Amino acid sequence: DAKTTQPPSMDCAEGRAANLPCNHSTISGNEYVYWYRQIHSQGPQYIIHGLKNNETNEMASLIITEDRKSSTLILPHATLRDTAVYYCIVTTGGGNKLTFGTGTQLKVEL
Amino acid sequence: NAGVTQTPKFQVLKTGQSMTLQCAQDMNHNSMYWYRQDPGMGLRLIYYSASEGTTDKGEVPNGYNVSRLNKREFSLRLESAAPSQTSVYFCASSEGGGPRRIGYTFGSGTRLTVV
Repeated sequence: DAKTTQPPSMDCAEGRAANLPCNHSTISGNEYVYWYRQIHSQGPQYIIHGLKNNETNEMASLIITEDRKSSTLILPHATLRDTAVYYCIVTTGGGNKLTFGTGTQLKVEL
Repeated sequence: NAGVTQTPKFQVLKTGQSMTLQCAQDMNHNSMYWYRQDPGMGLRLIYYSASEGTTDKGEVPNGYNVSRLNKREFSLRLESAAPSQTSVYFCASSEGGGPRRIGYTFGSGTRLTVV
């Protein structure tokens, strides 16, 4: 699976959009970009995934660049409950084993 | 829906003791996984089971054994616990076989301390 690079930490004001970047320059054609988050010491929670088109669900939006070498997870109106570690993972499929990096610690503040 | 259930939630072991961590899922998922997470670090894969009857090593399998008892249950055994195995252990499941809309579902974790 391709390696990903994320900033170690980010801050965001409550109510504003949180944009979390991820670089995956070695991604191959059959690899998907997955995003998970881990709130405090709970188990990670699936957020969204995509191949090459932008995706949106009730939690977030995923923007993947045309060359697929980077992506951005967007939380449109961040709340305090969105404070968590966000993991960007590239893998060939949801059934295959996921490799977690250290992720981005997002802190949402008043 | 219960999702993925792990037992126990907390455990303290003495060095050399053995124990089994239990994991069960009620989503009819094919694949199950065991991860460990040390303080300040990401999750590392210990073992996984792509389907009932199969198991494979992950990134950090030494000191552990697993059993895929049936489609629902996947247990992790520490035969002789060591302080280096102090960690939070997460079990997860997925439909397997390719990208799926909901990805993995994780349990709430077992916090293990070996003294």
